Amino acid sequence: DTEVTQTPKHLVMGMTNKKSLKCEQHMGHRAMYWYKQKAKKPPELMFVYSYEKLSINESVPSRFSPECPNSSLLNLHLHALQPEDSALYLCASSHSGETTDTQYFGPGTRLTVL
Amino acid sequence: GQQVMQIPQYQHVQEGEDFTTYCNSSTTLSNIQWYKQRPGGHPVFLIQLVKSGEVKKQKRLTFQFGEAKKNSSLHITATQTTDVGTYFCAPASGGSYIPTFGRGTSLIVHP
Repeated sequence: DTEVTQTPKHLVMGMTNKKSLKCEQHMGHRAMYWYKQKAKKPPELMFVYSYEKLSINESVPSRFSPECPNSSLLNLHLHALQPEDSALYLCASSHSGETTDTQYFGPGTRLTVL
Repeated sequence: GQQVMQIPQYQHVQEGEDFTTYCNSSTTLSNIQWYKQRPGGHPVFLIQLVKSGEVKKQKRLTFQFGEAKKNSSLHITATQTTDVGTYFCAPASGGSYIPTFGRGTSLIVHP
């Protein structure tokens, strides 16, 4: 199984809402990532978890809160977002987080903030 | 962070023509990966290059890593409509933990 799954596929939320994005992989990977991608732009790294510990936070605003309950699951909790946060949110996983790892991406959650 | 330039930003070709995208770094890289993202899709890993001067082929796709490990290219021979998408390089240097994506080259193939 080389699949990374993400739910929901689409999400529309107001600026006062609280929502969560979910990501799951069953490849035994120990590194998981959240990326944000705006239209016609490359994916921008937000967070990296390595062996269930947050290892990289790319200066992301606190309205985004990641969580890694176990090695297969990754969540992104959203609160008080702004319209400019509307984007495709991609989850990825890799073997152990080395730079030579292949990253496997999920299909993404398309988020619209009203 | 990684300073990398990927060119061109867009490329229109007629089906059957060749296509090349280039990724140039200001620093020496430890390795470089290439990904393809179809319209409405997510990035999919294509290849990784590690050695100086390395050349790898996947059917009509040829990937090269420069001798100085500062640049790389992806060449597609005789493009097909299925090649449409954005091609990203993702270089990594010894000091960075995670590859950073170049801005991508969007390939549009006209039938």
